[in-house]
Amino acid sequence: DAGVTQSPTHLIKTRGQQVTLRCSPKSGHDTVSWYQQALGQGPQFIFQYYEEEERQRGNFPDRFSGHQFPNYSSELNVNALLLGDSALYLCASSLGPPGQGFRGQYFGPGTRLTVT
Amino acid sequence: AQKITQTQPGMFVQEKEAVTLDCTYDTSDPSYGLFWYKQPSSGEMIFLIYQGSYDQQNATEGRYSLNFQKARKSANLVISASQLGDSAMYFCAMNLRKGAGSYQLTFGKGTKLSVIP
Repeated sequence: DAGVTQSPTHLIKTRGQQVTLRCSPKSGHDTVSWYQQALGQGPQFIFQYYEEEERQRGNFPDRFSGHQFPNYSSELNVNALLLGDSALYLCASSLGPPGQGFRGQYFGPGTRLTVT
Repeated sequence: AQKITQTQPGMFVQEKEAVTLDCTYDTSDPSYGLFWYKQPSSGEMIFLIYQGSYDQQNATEGRYSLNFQKARKSANLVISASQLGDSAMYFCAMNLRKGAGSYQLTFGKGTKLSVIP
């Protein structure tokens, strides 16, 4: 049973460029959430996709956008990269959107993005 | 604003000893969930334990237990019989209601645990 997979593992981009990160959820999961984890910090929620729509969004600018495909996989796009966008980007999947008693969110290994 | 506070940037524990990692939270919502995750150097967040705000008993999962003190708004993680493989970053997180049926996970800054042989 494959867990959450993310690609690429590492990525180096130049300031001002655009980047696309990819996530395949755990088998049977239909909801994908994205998090940004800066060095020395906890993950911060970017947004969540369910039924191919953005359902929730954290405090991130419009430069951060996403997409969910019919097979439930997801992409995170970041435009006009800034040095401050350098971070580990984590994808998490679940069956259905997280509710109060929710505990079944599985994380992928992350994509480490470096902006120079 | 709702938030999670982990006051211990780093902790050391002798192998086979128990260790407590502190977590306090702040919310006025009576409905929330509390989580602990482990993050090894590989980067993947591993779910350890969960406590619901209405749960009457403290959660336990193997060597992990959560000391939930609702009035003090604390949710400390206790790891018994520490192992070398427990060396990692540990994050406390809270699942907060953001709307009808909608919850969002908020993390603390983490505690780096080092287990000494």
